Amino acid sequence: QSALTQPPSASGSPGQSVTISCTGTSSDVGGYNYVSWYQQHPGKAPKLMIYEVSKRPSGVPDRFSGSKSGNTASLTVSGLQAEDEADYYCSSYAGSIPVVFGGGTKLTVL
Amino acid sequence: QLQLQESGSGLVKPSQTLSLTCAVSGGSISSGGYSWSWIRQPPGKGLEWIGYIYHSGSTYYNPSLKSRVTISVDRSKNQFSLKLSSVTAADTAVYYCARAVRRSETIDYWGQGTLVTVSS
Repeated sequence: QSALTQPPSASGSPGQSVTISCTGTSSDVGGYNYVSWYQQHPGKAPKLMIYEVSKRPSGVPDRFSGSKSGNTASLTVSGLQAEDEADYYCSSYAGSIPVVFGGGTKLTVL
Repeated sequence: QLQLQESGSGLVKPSQTLSLTCAVSGGSISSGGYSWSWIRQPPGKGLEWIGYIYHSGSTYYNPSLKSRVTISVDRSKNQFSLKLSSVTAADTAVYYCARAVRRSETIDYWGQGTLVTVSS
């Protein structure tokens, strides 16, 4: 069982927006502004999409945004495109266990 | 551009020790401010953090694997290594090496991953 809880799946049509949640506790997500989101296409290594809750690395489209409220972080993908179809994982700094991951969400573009 | 490349045995027998090495290029493993991590992903499943090492040699391991894991660094070769002892079929996974930004543990660079299968 993963430390952070994500919905197993999410979907949306091209051009729509979809939001993926990541729920933890006050010991991880709620306690630090160190939530990251990773995109993973089949057979590929994960790619950093969002760090420190809402920051985007260079080269990541601004269609990807992150936020946090209490113990739940969220990734929103706006203007869905076919290439956004992938698995998405959240992670958080958790102090005593430095890195905890969510179980992953499979995003389908309909 | 930093690059990480895993290497090691792709097939390990049950009860034996899994050994992998991660070669770092395009940057120095001795750079401060980063941790050097191992992460694994069983087939069809999610990511699991195994542990990390700082350039100083300080380590931190996932408590669920701590008794079986050793991560070491060779600064002269700009690489770090993973050893996982007493493996079982449950240790079959793609193993990734990665760099994380210290404190936030944001993983900004990943290796391509290497599949390790535990089977007799």
